[in-house]
Amino acid sequence: DAKTTQPPSMDCAEGRAANLPCNHSTISGNEYVYWYRQIHSQGPQYIIHGLKNNETNEMASLIITEDRKSSTLILPHATLRDTAVYYCIVSRPLSNFGNEKLTFGTGTRLTIIP
Amino acid sequence: GAVVSQHPSWVICKSGTSVKIECRSLDFQATTMFWYRQFPKQSLMLMATSNEGSKATYEQGVEKDKFLINHASLTLSTLTVTSAHPEDSSFYICSPHAGHHNEQFFGPGTRLTVL
Repeated sequence: DAKTTQPPSMDCAEGRAANLPCNHSTISGNEYVYWYRQIHSQGPQYIIHGLKNNETNEMASLIITEDRKSSTLILPHATLRDTAVYYCIVSRPLSNFGNEKLTFGTGTRLTIIP
Repeated sequence: GAVVSQHPSWVICKSGTSVKIECRSLDFQATTMFWYRQFPKQSLMLMATSNEGSKATYEQGVEKDKFLINHASLTLSTLTVTSAHPEDSSFYICSPHAGHHNEQFFGPGTRLTVL
């Protein structure tokens, strides 16, 4: 699986948009970009994933560059509950009956400032 | 998203005892179960993968005789830490997966402290 690079930490003011970057320059054509977050002492929570088109759901938006070598997770209106470690993970489709699995890097520790 | 439960949420035990952690997928059938552990201030590390009814596959450096995994049904898997020692103190997280899902869901985790 392709590796990812994320800044170790970021701060964002409450109510503002939080933009979390991720570099994945060695991504393969059939690999997806997945984003998860882990709030302290909890299991990881799925946020969003995408292949090449931008994606949006009730939690966040995912912007993937045209060359697919980087992406940005956008939390449009950050709240204090969004403080967590955010993981950007690249993987072949997980819908492969357990033959693929998520490998976690060190992620970005996002702190929302009141 | 899918509902996953783990029990217990935390456990403290004496060195040398065994601890069993249960993981249940409450609203889907998990053909595959992933078990991760996370040491303080570190990321999640995959320990093993099991398919229902088959023996688990362990990652390099994980002792299969120490971490016993049972995946006897599509909704329940257990991880038993045998003869636990303080260095086994960690946050253990299960991740049941239904083969057709393109997301991976995680349990809330079990914090094990071995005295």
